[in-house]
This record gives sequence, C-alpha cells and structure tokens, in this order.
Amino acid sequence: SQTIHQWPATLVQPVGSPLSLECTVEGTSNPNLYWYRQAAGRGLQLLFYSVGIGQISSEVPQNLSASRPQDRQFILSSKKLLLSDSGFYLCAWSRDSHTDTQYFGPGTRLTVL
Amino acid sequence: AQTVTQSQPEMSVQEAETVTLSCTYDTSESDYYLFWYKQPPSRQMILVIRQEAYKQQNATENRFSVNFQKAAKSFSLKISDSQLGDAAMYFCAYRKVANKLIFGTGTLLAVQP
Repeated sequence: SQTIHQWPATLVQPVGSPLSLECTVEGTSNPNLYWYRQAAGRGLQLLFYSVGIGQISSEVPQNLSASRPQDRQFILSSKKLLLSDSGFYLCAWSRDSHTDTQYFGPGTRLTVL
Repeated sequence: AQTVTQSQPEMSVQEAETVTLSCTYDTSESDYYLFWYKQPPSRQMILVIRQEAYKQQNATENRFSVNFQKAAKSFSLKISDSQLGDAAMYFCAYRKVANKLIFGTGTLLAVQP
C-alpha cells in the first residue's frame, strides 16, 4: 500500500530564516505530487504541483519554491521566511492528473515568529 | 473560474442521528470530479467520498452518501448514524479533469453525545 510522509511535523522559525519541508511517498512510482497551504480557519490553497522529476508548476506567486530531486520526494523551500508564511502545509499525491484522487500526508505546522 | 461554496460554517448533530452538509459549485465544464474530505483535529485530510460528474448514480461509502444534482451544481454529503468520531472539519472539493483541486472553506461538524 502507499504511504505519504511529511517532515517535520511542527516547526517554529524566526522571520528571515530559511525553510525546508520534505514530503516522501512510498509504494508507488511516478506519482503526481502537490503542496498545499492551509491558513488558520481556511480552506486549502494549492502552491505547487509536479508531474515528474524536475517538473514543477507554481500556482501562486510567493516567497516559496519547490523542488523534486527524486521520483518520490517533494521539497518545499524558502530562502527567507515571512510572517505570512505561517500555516499548515500539506503534501498530497495522486497516480495521475486526469482522474485520480489526491491523498494527503499528515502535514507540517509552521509558525514564523 | 471554478468556485466551491460551503454555506454552513458550523453544524451540529446528535449521536446516531443524520446530518447533511451542503456544497455548491460553479463550473462551465461537463466532465469533472467532486470530493468530500474530512479533516479531524489531527489535521490530516482524509478522503470520505468521490463522485464522477458523468455518473448519475450517487456515490455511497458505508454511512456516507452524497446527493449529486448536476443541473443545480449541488453536491451535499449525508452522514447517517453519526458517531463521535465523525466530528471534524469537512471540505467539499471540485476537480476538472487533469486540473487542480479547488476546495470550499469547510464546515465544522460537532457531534453531541
């Protein structure tokens, strides 16, 4: 069966510091991968998605970037965090982009102080 | 642009009773997918049920069922025999074929013992 992991679970960072959140998927190959952000009391906003290694699409201009160095690894980064980057970050995967359901990881709670 | 609207920010139901959560969406597409996700206090997004727009039959998963009204662009979730573990935030989501998920703002469901 497939599983999706996110690391770390919780993170507190000062403004201006770098960020690296990791997402890995097990039990499948060539998945589509997604990064979402959920602000407090709000729905999910798609940040990035990837259909393959090195292929990243950005949905919203922002202070963040994403990379996919390996087939089942998706990384969310920032060079300098802003207060507005605080939120709950969810990674998701799907088998293909046409019809399949997205399955979510446990999430990372990021607090920028 | 496609939008998803959940007009009930909060709902409450007695244990063992039935509750219906509302969702409407706006699209000009004829082929798409609709989902209900559950987000418990752990904040992991869990798929509850999925509906393909080309199917007239309403999807059912155990105690969960949907009322899909394509012409009215309505997609409500019915939870029968509510249990304490059903307490969570519920998100309705829309997905055009080969496109991103668009989420509603969620409905917080409380289950009273």
